[in-house]
Amino acid sequence: GNSVTQMEGPVTLSEEAFLTINCTYTATGYPSLFWYVQYPGEGLQLLLKATKADDKGSNKGFEATYRKETTSFHLEKGSVQVSDSAVYFCALSDSGAAGNKLTFGGGTRVLVKP
Amino acid sequence: DVKVTQSSRYLVKRTGEKVFLECVQDMDHENMFWYRQDPGLGLRLIYFSYDVKMKEKGDIPEGYSVSREKKERFSLILESASTNQTSMYLCASNWGGETQYFGPGTRLLVL
Repeated sequence: GNSVTQMEGPVTLSEEAFLTINCTYTATGYPSLFWYVQYPGEGLQLLLKATKADDKGSNKGFEATYRKETTSFHLEKGSVQVSDSAVYFCALSDSGAAGNKLTFGGGTRVLVKP
Repeated sequence: DVKVTQSSRYLVKRTGEKVFLECVQDMDHENMFWYRQDPGLGLRLIYFSYDVKMKEKGDIPEGYSVSREKKERFSLILESASTNQTSMYLCASNWGGETQYFGPGTRLLVL
């Protein structure tokens, strides 16, 4: 079956530091890949996505590239802010299944200190 | 903007009680989902529905049931709540293969 593995947190950084969160996946077929973010006390919201190999998703200074050869979708941001403190989830979508079910990684908590 | 609302943000129930969690979306989405979120486990799919009165089991359906009588509303039912069902419950919806939109979550404590 499908699975997503991402690095465990928490990740603690200083403001303006470089952030990378590793994500690898196992899937049959050609999934779409997502990063969702959950700010404290809120539900998940889509951060970025990529639908095919070599696509780069980007939003709010975050980037991730769909690497089929390494089955990875690592999230990066060059200079984090305190407001980036959140839990980040990597996910894949099984496009062959009804409703495009998502399979999530375990989540990575990021704490950015001023 | 898409809006997905959940009936309660926090809920405290006793073991054995029947619990209803309600989710409403306002974008005419055909698909709706219920997940539970536990630390280190990410989100796990409980049930989803791709049309009114249609449902499919997700990865962890045991101890839960669902109801979708109207397109905009998807209810999660805990027939007899147990302490291992203490969790954060998240509802989501989408149309076709598009991005899923999430509600704010219901944090359930079963004593």
